[in-house]
Amino acid sequence: NAGVMQNPRHLVRRRGQEARLRCSPMKGHSHVYWYRQLPEEGLKFMVYLQKENIIDESGMPKERFSAEFPKEGPSILRIQQVVRGDSAAYFCASSPPQGTSYEQYFGPGTRLTVT
Amino acid sequence: QKEVEQNSGPLSVPEGAIASLNCTYSDRGSQSFFWYRQYSGKSPELIMFIYSNGDKEDGRFTAQLNKASQYVSLLIRDSQPSDSATYLCAVEDSWGKLQFGAGTQVVVTP
Repeated sequence: NAGVMQNPRHLVRRRGQEARLRCSPMKGHSHVYWYRQLPEEGLKFMVYLQKENIIDESGMPKERFSAEFPKEGPSILRIQQVVRGDSAAYFCASSPPQGTSYEQYFGPGTRLTVT
Repeated sequence: QKEVEQNSGPLSVPEGAIASLNCTYSDRGSQSFFWYRQYSGKSPELIMFIYSNGDKEDGRFTAQLNKASQYVSLLIRDSQPSDSATYLCAVEDSWGKLQFGAGTQVVVTP
């Protein structure tokens, strides 16, 4: 049973470019969460999605960041016009449907470097 | 006030001893509590979860929850060098998302 998959594992972008991060949840999981971890800091919640729905985006910056989880395909976290401060590790986690269990399992992360 | 608080450490533990990690949280509505282990440069790995007051044991790990005191802890028995990592406490808030503490770094010394 494959775990949470993320790609790319490493991404380098110049300031002003767009970054697209992908996440495929574990089989049977319908909930996806995105977190950001800055160097030497804790994990910060960004957004919680179900298929075709954004459930909670209270942790997303108001500008340049967007997320989706389409009916088919992976969840995408999109960062437009990246700046140096966006350099971080971005982790995706997935969990089973609510009411079964609440544990979240993390993917390997995408390390974004903005030059 | 931070929503989930942990001592940052490092917590130095002799090999074979018990490591004790503490976590307090502010949201009284929280019902689910998790401990993750994160090695440097890696992603968090779920090692324990606890939903009810009391103790829960899994191998060398014991999680303890006291909702009245808003306190959750993790004990690691017979600590091994491979246990050296940062341990993250996570609390599910009233809206169903996880709030993480900053983590406690554990260093197991031979």
